[in-house]
Amino acid sequence: DADVTQTPRNRITKTGKRIMLECSQTKGHDRMYWYRQDPGLGLRLIYYSFDVKDINKGEISDGYSVSRQAQAKFSLSLESAIPNQTALYFCATNDNRGADTQYFGPGTRLTVL
Amino acid sequence: TQLLEQSPQFLSIQEGENLTVYCNSSSVFSSLQWYRQEPGEGPVLLVTVVTGGEVKKLKRLTFQFGDARKDSSLHITAAQPGDTGLYLCAGDGSGTYKYIFGTGTRLKVLA
Repeated sequence: DADVTQTPRNRITKTGKRIMLECSQTKGHDRMYWYRQDPGLGLRLIYYSFDVKDINKGEISDGYSVSRQAQAKFSLSLESAIPNQTALYFCATNDNRGADTQYFGPGTRLTVL
Repeated sequence: TQLLEQSPQFLSIQEGENLTVYCNSSSVFSSLQWYRQEPGEGPVLLVTVVTGGEVKKLKRLTFQFGDARKDSSLHITAAQPGDTGLYLCAGDGSGTYKYIFGTGTRLKVLA
């Protein structure tokens, strides 16, 4: 089984709809991240969390919110989706014992019409 | 704002050729990672470099961290079709485990 899972894998929605993307991990890591990937722009950090009570904005947090329900679960919400939020979204975890390795989920492809 | 610029953006070469991908910044990074991403999947870590001037080898891949810890390179010797993918560098600017990603180099190796 995959260590980092994301649901759904693909989602098509309409402008103005509320969308939640979910991420679960079995690695026991405290640090979790949400990124979005656009062609030619690499990955950009949306939000990150270093433990259940810690939530931090990344470089592109406007229009997004997150919830860290448990150590293993980190959800990303788009309160009112807009077309320029069409992108590939990745969740990642990081070992809190000091290593710099990030472990990524398989991604969610979101299309906002 | 810290930025990581990768070059080239696209690279198409024949099997057996050598290539180098660059990751440059005006900022100092406490560590720098290289990832490879294949279509439909998330990035997978190849290597982490932490010391200025450090060189690491992974089979046919050689990674170097600049002396000033502002830049890095990835050299592939005798490229194979299996090396095809998107190569991403990522840096931790201040040891805070908040990572900045480069724009990526999309490599295609033709058989």
